[in-house]
Amino acid sequence: GAVVSQHPSRVICKSGTSVKIECRSLDFQATTMFWYRQFPKQSLMLMATSNEGSKATYEQGVEKDKFLINHASLTLSTLTVTSAHPEDSSFYICSARGGQDRDFPRGNYGYTFGSGTRLTVV
Amino acid sequence: GQQVMQIPQYQHVQEGEDFTTYCNSSTTLSNIQWYKQRPGGHPVFLIQLVKSGEVKKQKRLTFQFGEAKKNSSLHITATQTTDVGTYFCGPGGYNKLIFGAGTRLAVHP
Repeated sequence: GAVVSQHPSRVICKSGTSVKIECRSLDFQATTMFWYRQFPKQSLMLMATSNEGSKATYEQGVEKDKFLINHASLTLSTLTVTSAHPEDSSFYICSARGGQDRDFPRGNYGYTFGSGTRLTVV
Repeated sequence: GQQVMQIPQYQHVQEGEDFTTYCNSSTTLSNIQWYKQRPGGHPVFLIQLVKSGEVKKQKRLTFQFGEAKKNSSLHITATQTTDVGTYFCGPGGYNKLIFGAGTRLAVHP
């Protein structure tokens, strides 16, 4: 089945620094990847949609200059949290859907999620 | 965009009891997807429902899509401690997946 690898799983950084999170589709090509953030005991909030070879589409209220997304290849998308502040501490998680139906058996079009990155800004 | 409401937000059950979570939309949905997120884990796809009135079963889990395609439910029969987690629903368009708030299930042995 489809596998999405996300790194790092945990990161602690100082306020004002930048952190890069990688999301890789391991056994399929993902033309589109999605980035979510989740606060404790809350739902996953979609931040942006990452499209291979083009600019990301950000959801309303998400600062694109703060959360830089790059989707340079069909298997890799990165999210960079720039000038991180303590309020950016959260669980960031990516997901992808295969570009071809063969990656998802007929009738099974679920999204595959990475294992998430817990960011703590101190 | 399409948004869904999930109820209840939280439920305690004793092991062996049944559990149901509901997903409601004010607009007609093309499909509904269900995911489970274990504590500390990431969402895992459970199922997608597409047809009006569709009912699908996965062992003790029964998923239903309303006739009007505005509501969906997940019913777990005889809960087990392994069912603990948060269950999310959301319309899973090809280009976007928006989650409801989720229902957090606690199962007491």
